[in-house]
Amino acid sequence: ETGVTQTPRHLVMGMTNKKSLKCEQHLGHNAMYWYKQSAKKPLELMFVYNFKEQTENNSVPSRFSPECPNSSHLFLHLHTLQPEDSALYLCASSPGTSYEQYFGPGTRLTVT
Amino acid sequence: KQEVTQIPAALSVPEGENLVLNCSFTDSAIYNLQWFRQDPGKGLTSLLLIQSSQREQTSGRLNASLDKSSGRSTLYIAASQPGDSATYLCAVRPDSSASKIIFGSGTRLSIRP
Repeated sequence: ETGVTQTPRHLVMGMTNKKSLKCEQHLGHNAMYWYKQSAKKPLELMFVYNFKEQTENNSVPSRFSPECPNSSHLFLHLHTLQPEDSALYLCASSPGTSYEQYFGPGTRLTVT
Repeated sequence: KQEVTQIPAALSVPEGENLVLNCSFTDSAIYNLQWFRQDPGKGLTSLLLIQSSQREQTSGRLNASLDKSSGRSTLYIAASQPGDSATYLCAVRPDSSASKIIFGSGTRLSIRP
């Protein structure tokens, strides 16, 4: 158990739906991250938050909207997704942005 | 632009064999390199982290080496077991202030009983 939890673990949604992914860390870390892992591609960093402030947006389409209400919680709000957005979405946290990252189990998203 | 490559993409060996997984990176100016394990549909588990000033790190049956000048790292697994079957990812942190770590595509390892 890594101390980083993600819900739901699996999600199937239509292209017109709105859903949210949740990540929670119990490690007392200050930085949180969203990654996308598509089949046969390297992990892609999407967003970085440090002390609740977004410090990096890796040219992510606006249909993905992150929210970080506090250092322990991170959300990814999804709307009007495309089938190519189907992937494993991983959350990670770290004490600070230059420290080792700890990953959650991921949410397997399928867009139909 | 830093790129991380892992070859082969998949590897199958019989149980008990020693094996080496390879990772190469294009820019030798790195802060550290990390090896992760990922089980199917799961998150990443950190195995070993090597700082740029180090040559190797060991944990149990695992040994990771780093040769910055040649842009290469290897993960050596001794006496492989079926439970070692997973995808192994290497990732590079470019500098100490970088929040972004750059991942390879991974090697999917299968240990045959």
